[in-house]
Amino acid sequence: DAGVIQSPRHEVTEMGQEVTLRCKPISGHDYLFWYRQTMMRGLELLIYFNNNVPIDDSGMPEDRFSAKMPNASFSTLKIQPSEPRDSAVYFCASSFKSDRPYETQYFGPGTRLLVL
Amino acid sequence: GESVGLHLPTLSVQEGDNSIINCAYSNSASDYFIWYKQESGKGPQFIIDIRSNMDKRQGQRVTVLLNKTVKHLSLQIAATQPGDSAVYFCAEMGVRGGKLIFGQGTELSVKP
Repeated sequence: DAGVIQSPRHEVTEMGQEVTLRCKPISGHDYLFWYRQTMMRGLELLIYFNNNVPIDDSGMPEDRFSAKMPNASFSTLKIQPSEPRDSAVYFCASSFKSDRPYETQYFGPGTRLLVL
Repeated sequence: GESVGLHLPTLSVQEGDNSIINCAYSNSASDYFIWYKQESGKGPQFIIDIRSNMDKRQGQRVTVLLNKTVKHLSLQIAATQPGDSAVYFCAEMGVRGGKLIFGQGTELSVKP
């Protein structure tokens, strides 16, 4: 199993540019989560999907952030326009619903974003 | 609550000693708790979990203890090894599942 795949692994861009982060969850998983990690705020949940439908986007900072999941094997997180304060590591995680009440989330390697 | 601050709590132990990492969780209604390990440059990795109807669970070299009375969670690592050096996060989940709330994290440093 390849695990959760994220691309790009590193992104450097200039303020005002559009940034698109990509995630491929583990095959068969029906939950997908986007997190942001900074030293100041730690690990924060931005949004999560169940069966490709956004369930909770209350963590999305503002309208500059948007996320989509067009199918079970692909999701994007877009920032437009980007700002220096968006610099962080963005993680994607996935899990699957079984007969257990709670499921372990498996994290990807992250995308390190630097906005200059 | 939110994780705030520039510096993580740090625990430094000698190789071979036992480590205890503590976590105070925020919501008394949380029903499920997980410990994650994050090595430098990598994503968090699942270590062990525990349900609120338990107070102790053991894995390979790791034990998680849950004290619901004081909303406290701890991770014990036996015979700590250099490969255990990482940041350790506790996370809590409510009865509806789905959303994990992560703690601030503790940096474990193992001295050879």
